[in-house]
Amino acid sequence: EVQLVQSGPEVKKPGESLKISCKGSGYSFSTYWIGWVRQMAGTGLEWMGIIYPSDSDTRYSPSFQGQVTISADKSISTAYLQWRSLKASDTAMYYCARGVGPVYDFDFWGRGTLVTVSS
Amino acid sequence: EIVMTQSPATLSVSLGERATLSCRASQGVSADLAWYQQKPGQAPRLLIYGESTRATGTPARFSGSGSGTEFTLTISSLQSEDSAVYHCQQYNKWPPSFGGGTKVEIK
Repeated sequence: EVQLVQSGPEVKKPGESLKISCKGSGYSFSTYWIGWVRQMAGTGLEWMGIIYPSDSDTRYSPSFQGQVTISADKSISTAYLQWRSLKASDTAMYYCARGVGPVYDFDFWGRGTLVTVSS
Repeated sequence: EIVMTQSPATLSVSLGERATLSCRASQGVSADLAWYQQKPGQAPRLLIYGESTRATGTPARFSGSGSGTEFTLTISSLQSEDSAVYHCQQYNKWPPSFGGGTKVEIK
């Protein structure tokens, strides 16, 4: 069974750093892309970026380029989403999801990680 | 970036009736269009890809159609478990983008 298990909720202060994770199982992790999607409270989905764990080829939506860093460690089947300096506007649910290509639909999703940034 | 616009924002439909959801792309996206269902407190789930292909486990009452910029998700006979937000996504041009979602509620 394909599963993407995300790390737990986070509460951080503005200016702090954060790295959340997404561990894949039940399939060949290295041979599928892992994307990240933001959902702010009561709003739609925003496509952030995507990584191919096999060679760490990473693509970012222009809206998120420079704002976050996506990485992966194929040895432990885990992808990451990282912030250097959080802002209150980063408060949202973040989902990881699996795709067969960098520009494709997502066929499996993690349950999401809620990130709250508040002073 | 291609802007995806969904309408209506909220759709109220009686049980057993047909629900028709629309998604419009600001540029042609061929048939590279997916629909996702998101129930409260849950992650989105892929329903339809390639404009009209049902994903594994998607009931036959869900169907997708379209023509490059205008797309439709139809639920032929609404069931109580279909109450959810439905999102469309284009993956034809970089960057992929989602619509704002349509909330389907039971009348």
